[in-house]
Formats: sequence, structure tokens, C-alpha cells
Amino acid sequence: DGGITQSPKYLFRKEGQNVTLSCEQNLNHDAMYWYRQDPGQGLRLIYYSQIVNDFQKGDIAEGYSVSREKKESFPLTVTSAQKNPTAFYLCASTSSGGADTQYFGPGTRLTVL
Amino acid sequence: KQEVTQIPAALSVPEGENLVLNCSFTDSAIYNLQWFRQDPGKGLTSLLLIQSSQREQTSGRLNASLDKSSGRSTLYIAASQPGDSATYLCAVRFEYGNKLVFGAGTILRVKS
Repeated sequence: DGGITQSPKYLFRKEGQNVTLSCEQNLNHDAMYWYRQDPGQGLRLIYYSQIVNDFQKGDIAEGYSVSREKKESFPLTVTSAQKNPTAFYLCASTSSGGADTQYFGPGTRLTVL
Repeated sequence: KQEVTQIPAALSVPEGENLVLNCSFTDSAIYNLQWFRQDPGKGLTSLLLIQSSQREQTSGRLNASLDKSSGRSTLYIAASQPGDSATYLCAVRFEYGNKLVFGAGTILRVKS
């Protein structure tokens, strides 16, 4: 089955810790995206990557970092610099150019203790 | 600023009703528009994708229309069912940008 997987489903972080969220796709898509969703709000773009070894900041990149060493993987690290990280994080991918449907993973819910 | 607005924020209807969800966007220079469905605690599922050159797309009981000049799209759901209960999100890819801009969504509840 082709698709996007995210792990873990639930993640708990203590104050001052860095945590990494995993996103893997087997759709052979070039472009991958990370979004943050807060209650009652639309999705906000954190980072995106259109090709391996390249990525760009989205609208709310502060306190986050990413890497794109392989086409199928786009991990997101939430650093201690992110002051309000509790949210639902969604990974997505699309074929090159963005003309096609964007496919989403099941999400990771991050809670700061 | 490129923005997407969805009205209403929430909607409750009895089973069997036809309904319309609205999406408006601030810039008519768009590349495409997508409607998504999101169940509680889940990821998004794409329902319909309309390219800028198209006026509408249909899938089963769903019909999405696009009017670029007025900056509007509607999602029409025919003969609603309790299983249609979810949040529906509209997202626009504007011509000058490499990202989707999302509306806040409409929470739909279909009562049996």
C-alpha cells in the first residue's frame, strides 16, 4: 500500500527537550511538507522540501528544524526554542510542481508536560 | 495577503438534507483549489481538486465549484448522511507561492 506514515502517534515532551517526529512516504513524491494544526485553526506551514537536500521555511519555522537526506523521509525536530509546541503535526507530500493532490499522513499529537 | 476563509464555522443538519459549504479567497490568481475532509484526531483526506482552468469537479455525492473572478468555491453535499460528519477544509495554491493556504474549516454534523 502506498502512503505516508508518521510516528509516533502520540508524543510527550518535557520542558527543554528536543523531540523528532518521523515522516516517511513510499509514493515517490518529490515534495514534502510539515504543518501544525491548533484547535479551531487551519493548518500552518512549518517547513517544506521540493527536492532531496533542499528545504525552505514556511510561515512558522521558528523553533523547528528539518532534514531531507532521502527522498522518502522528512523528519521534523521540535527544539526547546519552540515556546508553545503542544499541537497536532501533519506531514504531507505531493508530486513535483504541486499541481496534484496533496496526500497527508495520520498525524502526531505532541504534548508538553 | 493571501487568505482563505470558510463559512460557516460549524453546521448541523438532519440526515438527508442537501448542504453547501463555502470557501472564499483573497486573490483570484490561483493555481488550484482542494477540498479535504478531516475526522477527529486524523489526517486529511483529499476529496476534490479543481485546477484554475476548471469550473467544477464531481465525486459521488460531492460537487465542488470554482469561481475565480469572485474568489469563491462551494462544496455541495447531496443527501447528507451521519457518516459525512467531519471537518471540511478548503485549501488554495496561489500562483505566486509554493504552498497551500488553508481555511480554518467547517465542522459538519449530520444528525440521524
